[in-house]
Amino acid sequence: EVQLVESGGGLVQPGGSLRLSCAASGFTFSDYEMTWVRQAPGKGLEWISYISSRGTTVSYSDSVKGRFTISRDNAKNSLYLQMNSLRAEDTAIYYCARVRNSAYFRYWGQGALVAVSS
Amino acid sequence: EIVLTQSPGTLSLSPGERATLSCRASQSVNSIYLAWYQQKPGQAPRLLIYGASGRAAGVPDRFSGSGSGTDFTLTISRLEPEDFAVYYCQQSDRSHWTFGQGTKVEV
Repeated sequence: EVQLVESGGGLVQPGGSLRLSCAASGFTFSDYEMTWVRQAPGKGLEWISYISSRGTTVSYSDSVKGRFTISRDNAKNSLYLQMNSLRAEDTAIYYCARVRNSAYFRYWGQGALVAVSS
Repeated sequence: EIVLTQSPGTLSLSPGERATLSCRASQSVNSIYLAWYQQKPGQAPRLLIYGASGRAAGVPDRFSGSGSGTDFTLTISRLEPEDFAVYYCQQSDRSHWTFGQGTKVEV
């Protein structure tokens, strides 16, 4: 059974940093592209970052580019999102998801809540 | 960036009725890269349709997708009580993705 479990969320002050992790199991992690999607309270889904299966290709939405960094450790079956210079508008539930064919997100984690507030 | 516009914002229907949800793209989308998701309160999104018309594993056949170019449709042939939720379309273009703003299907 495919499982994706996010961790590392919490309350952080504006300008602060946080690192999210996504632990993958039930599949060969190194074979799959991965992504992060977030959802602000009461709002829609927003894609924020992507990483190829080997980590050689990454991409970001304009809203997080230059502040967030996606990475992965295939030996540890883990995906990461380093978030720096956090703003109030980064408050959201952050989901990791497995990408299929560079097109759609077949499996999702349960999400990690990040709250940016003083 | 390709912008996806979903309509209507809210669809008020009763169980047993047919639901037709629209997703319009600001420029042409390769159908391979068009997907639909369902999200219920407090839950992660669930993939329903990929490649514009392919049904994901475990998705009931009352859900169907169609369209091409800039106009795509998700149809729920007969609404079941568990289908009342928010639906999002999504497209991908050169390793960048965008979602529509969502359509809420309510009773």
